[in-house]
Amino acid sequence: AQSVTQLDSQVPVFEEAPVELRCNYSSSVSVYLFWYVQYPNQGLQLLLKYLSGSTLVESINGFEAEFNKSQTSFHLRKPSVHISDTAEYFCAVSLTGANNLFFGTGTRLTVIP
Amino acid sequence: DAGITQSPRHKVTETGTPVTLRCHQTENHRYMYWYRQDPGHGLRLIHYSYGVKDTDKGEVSDGYSVSRSKTEDFLLTLESATSSQTSVYFCAIGSLQEVAEQFFGPGTRLTVL
Repeated sequence: AQSVTQLDSQVPVFEEAPVELRCNYSSSVSVYLFWYVQYPNQGLQLLLKYLSGSTLVESINGFEAEFNKSQTSFHLRKPSVHISDTAEYFCAVSLTGANNLFFGTGTRLTVIP
Repeated sequence: DAGITQSPRHKVTETGTPVTLRCHQTENHRYMYWYRQDPGHGLRLIHYSYGVKDTDKGEVSDGYSVSRSKTEDFLLTLESATSSQTSVYFCAIGSLQEVAEQFFGPGTRLTVL
């Protein structure tokens, strides 16, 4: 069975500092990987995804994530965070060819002015 | 935003009463999902549908039933609500074209007293 581990439940970081949100998954077969963001009192929005090809994927608002097959990781990074990045971030995995997503427990990113 | 609406957005009910939550989409997507979100658990799949009248159980289906009589509507029913079903419920939709990518509704906050 697939599982997703987000080790950090809360990450406080100062504005303009870099941040890394960690995600590890377990699966014996090929997977697709996703990061979703949830702003307060809203639904989830897709931030970025890895399906195949380049292991480094980027979002339009400066986040990037790198698929590392040997470490079974898909960590999310941003070199300089803004106040508006304060949100909860969820890592998710699905099997290739399947449509069901398995979510991690989430990491609450708080950007401090 | 993807055309997904959920109703009601908030509901307070008493233990033992039946509750039905509605998800409506205007995207004509084949796949629809119901998740619950609880602190420390992330999102967990309750039921999903892969077509009209085609549904299947997810990770936490006990105490819930679903129905899909039209492409655009996916109903989640709690036959006899319990306090453990107090949660935020999210509907999501997905298509064959966008592999495993899901779009989420705004959520329904349900409180069972």
